[in-house]
Amino acid sequence: QSALTQPPSVSGSPGQSVAISCTGTSSDIGNYNRVSWYQQPPGTAPKLMIYEVSNRPSGVPDRFSGSKSGNTASLTISGLQAEDEADYYCSSYTSSTTWVFGGGTKLTVL
Amino acid sequence: QVQLVESGGGVVQPGGSLRLSCAASGFTFNTYNMHWVRQAPGRGLDWVAFIRHDGSDKYYADSVKGRFTISRDNSKNTLYLEVNSLRAEDTAIYYCARDGHDYKLDYWGQGTLVTVSS
Repeated sequence: QSALTQPPSVSGSPGQSVAISCTGTSSDIGNYNRVSWYQQPPGTAPKLMIYEVSNRPSGVPDRFSGSKSGNTASLTISGLQAEDEADYYCSSYTSSTTWVFGGGTKLTVL
Repeated sequence: QVQLVESGGGVVQPGGSLRLSCAASGFTFNTYNMHWVRQAPGRGLDWVAFIRHDGSDKYYADSVKGRFTISRDNSKNTLYLEVNSLRAEDTAIYYCARDGHDYKLDYWGQGTLVTVSS
């Protein structure tokens, strides 16, 4: 049950786009479209932003999008806003009937 | 609206036990699978356990298997996590989360802090 691999940090200026990668294995991301992304501002509970690789729950801006290729999933945030500054976590269902999270990526809006 | 409220955290000595609770409201609790997820101070999210809507299946992270037990009482709309043989590395905020039918954790509580210290 090794954690999924995310970059520790990314940054971008307001209005720009950033992408956060999430690399797993053929036992999780590579074998299932059950990849989710969560946003966690400091001191708050996580919030679901993307599910099943690329679906957005109601209320999540369409600036947030997800994709997957092989064992790697990605979250792209376009038109960056100051309120997007937070930690982002990917997650996947696994073949062991467990769930696994990434180590988290801190997004800084410059 | 969906609400999940955790309780039962506190300070406990190594080797000790606690029972965490998660009171659910705003949805039909007995039709949803549920999870526990934890987060050590300054660290990332760590999946802990899953229970099916009727309690028929339970799955655990290797790090807690044999020490933690997930359960639920659908008559009380409450999820539980019994944590035993606690270690310093179990110190974390413990969140309960609803599984929104598509392997996604769509609602989270605010968490309850467990501190393991002598």
